[in-house]
Amino acid sequence: GQNIDQPTEMTATEGAIVQINCTYQTSGFNGLFWYQQHAGEAPTFLSYNVLDGLEEKGRFSSFLSRSKGYSYLLLKELQMKDSASYLCAVEGYNKLIFGAGTRLAVHP
Amino acid sequence: EAGVTQFPSHSVIEKGQTVTLRCDPISGHDNLYWYRRVMGKEIKFLLHFVKESKQDESGMPNNRFLAERTGGTYSTLKVQPAELEDSGVYFCASNPRIRGGETQYFGPGTRLLVL
Repeated sequence: GQNIDQPTEMTATEGAIVQINCTYQTSGFNGLFWYQQHAGEAPTFLSYNVLDGLEEKGRFSSFLSRSKGYSYLLLKELQMKDSASYLCAVEGYNKLIFGAGTRLAVHP
Repeated sequence: EAGVTQFPSHSVIEKGQTVTLRCDPISGHDNLYWYRRVMGKEIKFLLHFVKESKQDESGMPNNRFLAERTGGTYSTLKVQPAELEDSGVYFCASNPRIRGGETQYFGPGTRLLVL
């Protein structure tokens, strides 16, 4: 079967660092995406990993270990506007398989 | 450049009625996808168009759902007759071509409530 797991909710403090984990078991793997989704809005692309290792993009970094079926999204210097849902998605056979998303609440 | 747009943003209908959702992809994007998120669950794939052809419709729940993409531009998703379990958010996404790792750009979704 296909399964993507990520924590349901997380809280963090403004200015801190938070790591959102994602584990997956899927048939077919063309890479792993992280999307950010604010309530009532479209999911927006954050990062893509297809090779093992860390991809850094400003305050956001994403890591992938294909052998472990594991990824994480690291958010640094948290801002209030980072309060959103973060979606882990694996691409297989030209379609995205999503986890249920992690709701992140950033507090002052 | 305009993003993916969807219409309507919200729809409330009664069980047994028909609803048609529309998606306008980013101009020039050959690939168009429909996804759905029902309450409390993850976003799930419904189907994939390449231009006007259905490439993969393995996620369509049943034959009450009909998707079209005439002319390879915008797409419609019709639900007829609607059932209570069809309630959820219907997302459309597009990208330029089939290639591993090509980012899919999502629209804001249509929130469908079937009463």
